[in-house]
Amino acid sequence: DTAVSQTPKYLVTQMGNDKSIKCEQNLGHDTMYWYKQDSKKFLKIMFSYNNKELIINETVPNRFSPKSPDKAHLNLHINSLELGDSAVYFCASSLDGNEQFFGPGTRLTVL
Amino acid sequence: GEDVEQSLFLSVREGDSSVINCTYTDSSSTYLYWYKQEPGAGLQLLTYIFSNMDMKQDQRLTVLLNKKDKHLSLRIADTQTGDSAIYFCAETPRGYQKVTFGIGTKLQVIP
Repeated sequence: DTAVSQTPKYLVTQMGNDKSIKCEQNLGHDTMYWYKQDSKKFLKIMFSYNNKELIINETVPNRFSPKSPDKAHLNLHINSLELGDSAVYFCASSLDGNEQFFGPGTRLTVL
Repeated sequence: GEDVEQSLFLSVREGDSSVINCTYTDSSSTYLYWYKQEPGAGLQLLTYIFSNMDMKQDQRLTVLLNKKDKHLSLRIADTQTGDSAIYFCAETPRGYQKVTFGIGTKLQVIP
């Protein structure tokens, strides 16, 4: 009955690799988001998709590419991982852009 | 979090009331939120208030909004050890479909 789920929960990888994080919501929401939370707990939006269309892209490096195969899924692909990419990445979804429901997070560690 | 400010840390004794404060800068914000993040977990929406309201109460939680001073507070009555977490203040500026978060206030409840 999980509303917003992410996989994997933990991801440890070497610098330079390419990795993906998956997100799925079963709430029937039209809008999905990716947030990055750094080591100081600062939470910042990266992307937002509405009905599979990109509506927010907040000065994120080109190495990050979101992909939305359908409105229930928003995956995040990261190329050429760097040390600074280490963070917790949260997916969220919303019906109207206001009340957002968050996934449990994916802790990415780049070595 | 450059538009939403919070103090970083608050310590209270179990059974006392906690008051977490937040200052936001966008006077046109439509929704203001309080999220809770327990260690190693995702964000949980605790409560939110519309910008045309002054107060909202939900069991032990009371949200006060002072629009003139752009000040939002969360009061937790009879604070319990389970309330120990990081509390994020957030806003949705009018016309945007994103939520801007504060830096988070870490609440420590002493038994």
